[in-house]
Amino acid sequence: DSGVTQTPKHLITATGQRVTLRCSPRSGDLSVYWYQQSLDQGLQFLIQYYNGEERAKGNILERFSAQQFPDLHSELNLSSLELGDSALYFCASSATGGGFGAKNIQYFGAGTRLSVL
Amino acid sequence: GQQLNQSPQSMFIQEGEDVSMNCTSSSIFNTWLWYKQDPGEGPVLLIALYKAGELTSNGRLTAQFGITRKDSFLNISASIPSDVGIYFCAGTSGGSNYKLTFGKGTLLTVNP
Repeated sequence: DSGVTQTPKHLITATGQRVTLRCSPRSGDLSVYWYQQSLDQGLQFLIQYYNGEERAKGNILERFSAQQFPDLHSELNLSSLELGDSALYFCASSATGGGFGAKNIQYFGAGTRLSVL
Repeated sequence: GQQLNQSPQSMFIQEGEDVSMNCTSSSIFNTWLWYKQDPGEGPVLLIALYKAGELTSNGRLTAQFGITRKDSFLNISASIPSDVGIYFCAGTSGGSNYKLTFGKGTLLTVNP
């Protein structure tokens, strides 16, 4: 158990809908990262939050947004869903927000499998 | 953007055999990580490497951070059925070291 908790584990929805994925980081970790994993693209970095503020953006679509709350949990909001958004969404956390060393190691949750029908 | 070339894409081996997989990059990485992902689960960290030339072991697993900082390999010795899964290399580069770039993964199948 990595200590990173993601809910729900599975989500089935229809095109055009909006969903929210939730992540609780490991105790003490300040950074949360979101990744999308699809068969053809592999693991793609979406966005990072550090202590409540956006730190870095990757390949995140404008229809997607995220936030990190004062208790450090994070939510990833996906709207106007398309068939191609079906994927595994992973959250990871690390102690710090960057730099070298073990405190920047990212630990992953078990993921949310999103199916858009 | 950054890209990691991981090979092989898949491997089919017999229990007890040794396995080797590697990752290369066209640019320098500051940290190399190896993760394993089981079906329906998230990637689990196996080994982290922080210095060029570093060789680190974790049980039957050994990984090295290449001298050029552009490659890394992972060896698994005396494979067992529970080694089955997808192995990913990942690395960080640049000044902030926050962004992990992942390889496409190596699917390992171990025949008992």
